[in-house]
Parts: sequence; structure tokens; C-alpha cells
Amino acid sequence: QVQLQQWGAGLLKPSETLSLTCGVHGGSFSGYYWNWIRQPPGKGLEWVGEINQSGGTNYNPSLKSRVTMSVDTSRNQFSMNLSSVTAADTAVYYCVRGCRGCPGDYWGQGTLVTVSS
Amino acid sequence: EIVLTQSPDFQSGTPKEKVTIACRASQTIGTGLHWYQQKPNQSPKLLIRSASHVISGVPSRFSGSGSGTDFTLTINGLEAEDAATYYCHQSSSLPVTFGQGTKLEI
Repeated sequence: QVQLQQWGAGLLKPSETLSLTCGVHGGSFSGYYWNWIRQPPGKGLEWVGEINQSGGTNYNPSLKSRVTMSVDTSRNQFSMNLSSVTAADTAVYYCVRGCRGCPGDYWGQGTLVTVSS
Repeated sequence: EIVLTQSPDFQSGTPKEKVTIACRASQTIGTGLHWYQQKPNQSPKLLIRSASHVISGVPSRFSGSGSGTDFTLTINGLEAEDAATYYCHQSSSLPVTFGQGTKLEI
């Protein structure tokens, strides 16, 4: 059974960098795209970006200038950084397994990140 | 960017009723459309992939149809546990996008 477990700081000040990591347990790490999707409180879902095992990335154009994703295949983990955060970045962030053209079939538990001065 | 528009935004139903939720894409996406169910304080759960393929373990009362730009999620025989918000999602082109959600109350 595939499980995604995520962690990272939950409270940030404006202009700081959001950092989250997701560990993949069970199943293969290769052959998939590993995504970050966020959901502001009471709102819908927004794709942040994806990374594959080789480090190839695709980012949402609306966030591209501030997002960086990385992968550590030795630990079956992937991470994201979002720089210069503002209150608009307050959201639950999910790590999600997907593939090209596929839906997200396994989701992490979500991490609420609050940006407040 | 492909915009997905769901209708309605909110729906109320009664047990055993049949309900449908629509999702329209701003461009043709073939069958690259998927449906999720999200309950409060939970991660979204994949129900249907590729427009009509029901995920293993999902109750048979859930079904999906459509292709191109118009898609439908149908729940045939509502149960109390189906109260949730439902999202459509397209993976046909990047950036992948989601509908705004339909909140279903039983």
C-alpha cells in the first residue's frame, strides 16, 4: 500500500520561504510524477507543480518564479520550496502521486501552512 | 490554461435520489478528466479516472461519462456518506487544472 507522509513548517512570516518534504512509502518511486497541490482555506484545489525521479520539473506558470522542487531518490522523498510567501499562499499543501496524463491517485495527509506577520 | 467549470456549485439531495454534477472544459480534452470526492478535513479521494473508469473500491453507485468538453459525474442512489465536495480535474495539458467544486448536501 502506497503512503505519502509530508512534513514542514506550518507558520511563516511574509517574505519567508515555505519548505515541505514528502516521503513515499510502499510502491515504486520511479515512473511517476510527484506533485504538490494546494488548497486555500474554504477554497478549491490549485496545482503547484510536479517533479519526476530524474529531477525533471513542471511548474504552474502563476507560481513558477517562486517555486523550486527537488527529489532524493535514495530516500524516496521529494520537496518543494516556495519563496517570498504572502498571506495569499496560506493553504493546505498536499503531496500527490501522479503520472503524465494521470490523476492523483495517492495523496499525503496535507499540511496547513499559514503566512502571518 | 484549460478552465473547468462545474455546475451546480451547490446541490442538495435526499437518500436514494439520483444526482448529476457537470464539468465543462474550455478546450477539448479527450477523456483526460477525473473526479475526486473531498470530505471536510480530509484529502481528496479519486473516484473516477479518464472520464468513466471507476476506481477499485468505489461504490458502484458512482459513474462518469463524457468526452471532449462535457463530462458528468452521476451518483445513482444517494447515501448519507456521499455528502462531500466533488471536484473535476483535467490532466490533458499542463498546467493541470481543477473545477471550482460542487458541494453536495444530503
